[in-house]
Amino acid sequence: GAVVSQHPSWVICKSGTSVKIECRSLDFQATTMFWYRQFPKQSLMLMATSNEGSKATYEQGVEKDKFLINHASLTLSTLTVTSAHPEDSSFYICSARDQWAGAHEAFFGQGTRLTVV
Amino acid sequence: AQTVTQSQPEMSVQEAETVTLSCTYDTSESDYYLFWYKQPPSRQMILVIRQEAYKQQNATENRFSVNFQKAAKSFSLKISDSQLGDAAMYFCAYELDSNYQLIWGAGTKLIIKP
Repeated sequence: GAVVSQHPSWVICKSGTSVKIECRSLDFQATTMFWYRQFPKQSLMLMATSNEGSKATYEQGVEKDKFLINHASLTLSTLTVTSAHPEDSSFYICSARDQWAGAHEAFFGQGTRLTVV
Repeated sequence: AQTVTQSQPEMSVQEAETVTLSCTYDTSESDYYLFWYKQPPSRQMILVIRQEAYKQQNATENRFSVNFQKAAKSFSLKISDSQLGDAAMYFCAYELDSNYQLIWGAGTKLIIKP
């Protein structure tokens, strides 16, 4: 299957700083990317959907000024957590779709464990 | 609004035995896709099996098969000859046709007893 690379796998940052998470599709064009947050022992919670070249669509309750999403190319989307606080500590997962491909399948990155201290 | 329900927070099965994980969903659409994803301890999401709603035949992938009951809006996953590597969280998901967004169930933790 197609490969989605998410980086970094884990990051520790100080409260008040910003951290950027990258999500790359290595062998296909990611026309649509999804960013999720997953709390321990819970399901995936969709944060936002982004289409290449367009502004991201955020889910209700997700602060768009805090979680900046950029999808400037067909192979790269970034999530920047601005002014991070301990409550932002979580596991973040990206997934990518090629809407022009025949198969209905989303491909997932490995996830990023963010710890804010 | 579409919803996905997994009523079994945890299931356990003896190695080599068969286990069935349940999933029900609610939708008013007639054409859609359903998925089972596996999330092992590494937390990498792995597609297990996919079912197109317009197909009456149940999808099968090696030891994994589904029982898709469209009228009942039920989509259960059967794992045959369970192996230790099957231990993981299993999530049922429904795909919105409009924007390919996935609606997720709460997940079922599968424990394999050696």
